[in-house]
Amino acid sequence: EVQLVESGGGLVHPGGSLRLSCAASGLSFMDYEMNWVRQAPGKGLEWVANISRSGDMTHYSDSVRGRFTISRDNAKNSIFLQINSLRVEDTAIYYCASGGLCTTDVCHNTAYFQHWGQGTLLIVSS
Amino acid sequence: DIQMTQSPSTLSASVGDRVTITCRAGQSIRSWLAWYQQKAGKAPRLLIYQASILESGIPSRFSGSGSGTEFTLTISGLQPDDFATYYCQQYDIFPWTFGQGTKVEVK
Repeated sequence: EVQLVESGGGLVHPGGSLRLSCAASGLSFMDYEMNWVRQAPGKGLEWVANISRSGDMTHYSDSVRGRFTISRDNAKNSIFLQINSLRVEDTAIYYCASGGLCTTDVCHNTAYFQHWGQGTLLIVSS
Repeated sequence: DIQMTQSPSTLSASVGDRVTITCRAGQSIRSWLAWYQQKAGKAPRLLIYQASILESGIPSRFSGSGSGTEFTLTISGLQPDDFATYYCQQYDIFPWTFGQGTKVEVK
């Protein structure tokens, strides 16, 4: 069974920093691109960041580029999201989500979100 | 960014109904579209990818169709477990974007 377990959420003041983690099990981790997707309270889903299987390529939404950094440690089957310069509008549940299984050079056709964690809540408030 | 627009935003239906949700993309996304189901307080669950491929373990009453800019999710014979919010998502061009969601509620 695939499990993605997020941690690191909490209450942070505006302007602060936080690091979210996601530990994966039950899958061949290096065969999956990984993502962070967030959901503000009562709102829809918003993709935040993506990282390639090797970790050498990353992509971000415009709303977080320059403040958020996604990374991964394939030896520990984990991904991370370093969040700096936090804003009130960053308040959300942050989900870790894998792409589909990708065993080819390019993962474009498996770029949906196949496996999801339970989410970790980040509240940004003074 | 590619805007994804779902209709309707809310749908009232009864068990056994055939339900159709539409998702329109602001530009062609070929067939790079996925559908998710989300229940209150839970993480989303992948239903369909590449517009029409059913994810493993998803009941066959769920189906997807479309390409280019217009897509549909159909539930043939709504079950009590299907009352939830449904999202479409394009993964053709970064940034990947979701529709605003369609809540399927009890009529």
